[in-house]
Amino acid sequence: EVQLVESGGGLAMPGGSLRLSCAASGFTLSRAWMSWVRQAPGKAPEWVSQLKSKAGGGTTNYAAPVKGRFTILRDDSKNTLYLQMNSLKTEDTAVYYCVADLPGDTDAFDIWGQGTVVTVSS
Amino acid sequence: IVLTQSPGTLSLSPGERATLSCRASQTVSSSYLAWYQQRPGQAPSLLIYGASNRATGIPDRFSGSGSGTDFTLTIARLEPEDFAVYYCQQSGTSLVTFGQGTKLEIK
Repeated sequence: EVQLVESGGGLAMPGGSLRLSCAASGFTLSRAWMSWVRQAPGKAPEWVSQLKSKAGGGTTNYAAPVKGRFTILRDDSKNTLYLQMNSLKTEDTAVYYCVADLPGDTDAFDIWGQGTVVTVSS
Repeated sequence: IVLTQSPGTLSLSPGERATLSCRASQTVSSSYLAWYQQRPGQAPSLLIYGASNRATGIPDRFSGSGSGTDFTLTIARLEPEDFAVYYCQQSGTSLVTFGQGTKLEIK
C-alpha cells in the first residue's frame, strides 16, 4: 500500500525551529515529485515546497513566505522526506501535509499523508 | 497564478447536480489543473487531474472540463458523501497554487 506518514509537529516559539519527517512506503521516494502543503485552520491548502525526483533533476522550489527559512530534503536510504523549518513565525501555524506526485501521468498530488500539526506561539 | 473559485458555498440536495467553477488569473495548461475533495478532519484527496481525468476509484458522477482560464467540476447526482469542500489547483508553474475552495453543503 502506498502511504505517507508525517511526524515531528508540535509547539515552537517564534524564531524557533522544527523538523518535520515524512516516511514513505509502497513506493520509492526519489522517483516521485514530493511537496509539503500546509493548511491553516479554516483556510485553503497552501503549497510550501517541492523536491523534484532524481530523474527530474532533484531541484527544489519554495513558496515566497517560506523561502530562505525552510529547507526540503530527502534521505534515500530511509525513503524519508524532511522539512527543516527555521526562524518560525506565528503565521506558520498550520497542519503540514506531505504529498506525492507519483511517477505516471497525473501531474497532480496523488497521495497525501494524514498531516502533522505545527503551532508557533509564545 | 491566482485561482478564484465560485461560488464560495453551494447549497444543494442529494440527487441534484452541482457545478463548481475555477477561474485562473492567466492561462493554465489543462495538463496541470486538478481538483481535490476534502472532508472534515481529513486530508484533501485527488478527484480530477489533467482538467478532465478521474483519479483512480473516483465514480463517474464526477467530471471535469475546461481549458485556458476557466475550469469546471460537475457532480452529476449528489450523494450524501459528496458534501465536502472542493479545491482546484494548478501545478503548471514552479509555484503551485490552490483556489480558496467551494463548500458544498446539504440544503
